[in-house]
Amino acid sequence: DAKTTQPPSMDCAEGRAANLPCNHSTISGNEYVYWYRQIHSQGPQYIIHGLKNNETNEMASLIITEDRKSSTLILPHATLRDTAVYYCIVSGGSNYKLTFGKGTLLTVNP
Amino acid sequence: DGGITQSPKYLFRKEGQNVTLSCEQNLNHDAMYWYRQDPGQGLRLIYYSQIVNDFQKGDIAEGYSVSREKKESFPLTVTSAQKNPTAFYLCASRLAGGRYNEQFFGPGTRLTVL
Repeated sequence: DAKTTQPPSMDCAEGRAANLPCNHSTISGNEYVYWYRQIHSQGPQYIIHGLKNNETNEMASLIITEDRKSSTLILPHATLRDTAVYYCIVSGGSNYKLTFGKGTLLTVNP
Repeated sequence: DGGITQSPKYLFRKEGQNVTLSCEQNLNHDAMYWYRQDPGQGLRLIYYSQIVNDFQKGDIAEGYSVSREKKESFPLTVTSAQKNPTAFYLCASRLAGGRYNEQFFGPGTRLTVL
């Protein structure tokens, strides 16, 4: 699986949009971009995934650049409960392994 | 409610003892996974199983063993051969056959070896 690079930490004000970047310059054509998050001392939670088109669900939006070398997870109106470590993962084909890096610690401030 | 349960939440063992961590799911998922997480680190894959009676080693299988006798259960044994067993252990499951890698995680078991 392609490696990903994320900033170690970010801050966001409550009610504002949180934009979390991820670089995956070695992504291959059949690999998807997945985002998970982990609230402290809990199991990770799936958020969203995409291949090349932008995606949106009830939790977040995922913007993937045209060359697919980077992506941004957007939480449109961050709340205190969104404080968590966010993991950007590239996975695809017949390989169903998820490789978790250290992720980005998002802290939402009141 | 459907989901994944792991028990117990906290587990303490003496060094040199084997210990088995429970993972049960009622999601009717075919694939199940065990991960280990150390403080400040991401998750690392220990073992995974895509079907009953079959499982494969992940990236850090040494010192661990698993069984998959039932679809809903995937217990992990941490043996005395595991040099640093103190960690947070997470179990996950996925509906096999799908195109996507959406895994559902349990709440985890925090193992401390004294």
